Amino acid sequence: GNSVTQMEGPVTLSEEAFLTINCTYTATGYPSLFWYVQYPGEGLQLLLKATKADDKGSNKGFEATYRKETTSFHLEKGSVQVSDSAVYFCALSGGSNYKLTFGKGTLLTVNP
Amino acid sequence: EAGVAQSPRYKIIEKRQSVAFWCNPISGHATLYWYQQILGQGPKLLIQFQNNGVVDDSQLPKDRFSAERLKGVDSTLKIQPAKLEDSAVYLCASSPTGSLGELFFGEGSRLTVL
Repeated sequence: GNSVTQMEGPVTLSEEAFLTINCTYTATGYPSLFWYVQYPGEGLQLLLKATKADDKGSNKGFEATYRKETTSFHLEKGSVQVSDSAVYFCALSGGSNYKLTFGKGTLLTVNP
Repeated sequence: EAGVAQSPRYKIIEKRQSVAFWCNPISGHATLYWYQQILGQGPKLLIQFQNNGVVDDSQLPKDRFSAERLKGVDSTLKIQPAKLEDSAVYLCASSPTGSLGELFFGEGSRLTVL
C-alpha cells in the first residue's frame, strides 16, 4: 500500500536559518504529493502540492520538488521566520478515490 | 467563504461511554472525510463520503465507530463504547469533486477517554 516517511522531529532553528524536512514515499502508479501545515491551535491547511514528476510546488517561500527517481518530496525554505513554527505533514494522494496518506509530521520551532 | 465547522472542540468521557462529533463541510463540497489523529502520528482516514454515499471505510472500526452523512451535507461520527485508545483528535475535512487530494480541514475535536 501507499506510505509516507518523513524526517523525525522536533527541528529547532534560529530565525533566517535554512530549512529542509525530508520526505520519501512508496506508492503504486503516479501519486500527487503534498505538504500540509498545522499552526498552533489551527486546523491542517495545504501548503503546497505537485502532481507529476519534476513539478515544483511553492508557497510562502517554501518549495518542494517531486523527484520520481528518488521517490522524494523534500520541503525547503531559504530563511525561516518565527511565524513558520508549526507541524509539517508530507502526504500523497493516490488510488481511484484519491485517498490522502500522511506522514507522522515534523514539529518545527523557530527561535528569534 | 466559511470553513469546515466541527463541534465540540473538546470532549472528555470515561471508557465505555458514547460520544458524537458533528461536522459541517464547506458549502458545495461533495466529498467529506473523517480522520483520526493520535498524538505523535499523522492523520489516518476513517471514512470518506461522496455526497451521502460511502467511498472508503476500510479503516473504520465498525464494531464501535459509525458515521453518517444525511442529505449529503452535515456528518456525524459516533463512538460507542469508547476505549482508552480512542483518545485522539478527530478531524473533518471536505473537498470539491476532482480536487486530487486538496482537502480543507476543520480545527478538529479533541477526545480524551479516561
